[in-house]
Amino acid sequence: GQQLNQSPQSMFIQEGEDVSMNCTSSSIFNTWLWYKQDPGEGPVLLIALYKAGELTSNGRLTAQFGITRKDSFLNISASIPSDVGIYFCAGRGTYKYIFGTGTRLKVLA
Amino acid sequence: EAGVVQSPRYKIIEKKQPVAFWCNPISGHNTLYWYLQNLGQGPELLIRYENEEAVDDSQLPKDRFSAERLKGVDSTLKIQPAELGDSAVYLCASGPGRGGMDEQFFGPGTRLTVL
Repeated sequence: GQQLNQSPQSMFIQEGEDVSMNCTSSSIFNTWLWYKQDPGEGPVLLIALYKAGELTSNGRLTAQFGITRKDSFLNISASIPSDVGIYFCAGRGTYKYIFGTGTRLKVLA
Repeated sequence: EAGVVQSPRYKIIEKKQPVAFWCNPISGHNTLYWYLQNLGQGPELLIRYENEEAVDDSQLPKDRFSAERLKGVDSTLKIQPAELGDSAVYLCASGPGRGGMDEQFFGPGTRLTVL
């Protein structure tokens, strides 16, 4: 099935560093969601974005809805070991959400 | 507030056997989704319900998969007969369905292994 392109696919970072990842689409979306998934668990909603250009924060996480409506960005500041996991974006056009391929984050203490 | 509940969490069956998954959404959520997640990939939509109506089942392999949401609350996803390629995690999600503010909240998933 169709999946959005997420970049990077995976990354190792040092504890305390900032992290940036993005999600791109060839289609325009009306909503972007960002999720984190731990092994053996379902995705947990982190941030929801509803307007082009919108910038929303949730603690150390900040996400932005791209102006073109074809991309979104997630930043994590001052990473900690529990930030380890897979981060998924999901974009909604008319009715259906399409998920990204995921960014695997590993934090080195 | 209780989250989305799914059962069983794990299921191992032999190919050609039937299997069923159950989902109880967050109380008050009108929208319910079933997703398939293969290893290393993002979830892919199988079917979406608005109350008891299946409004998008275009990705559901209807020759072997079926779903129902009686009374617009709990939902069951069935596979009959299961094939080796059906091994995956089956995720249920629900959302409030408020126009334009349509977050999805996921359950823990059911990990299916077909031998």
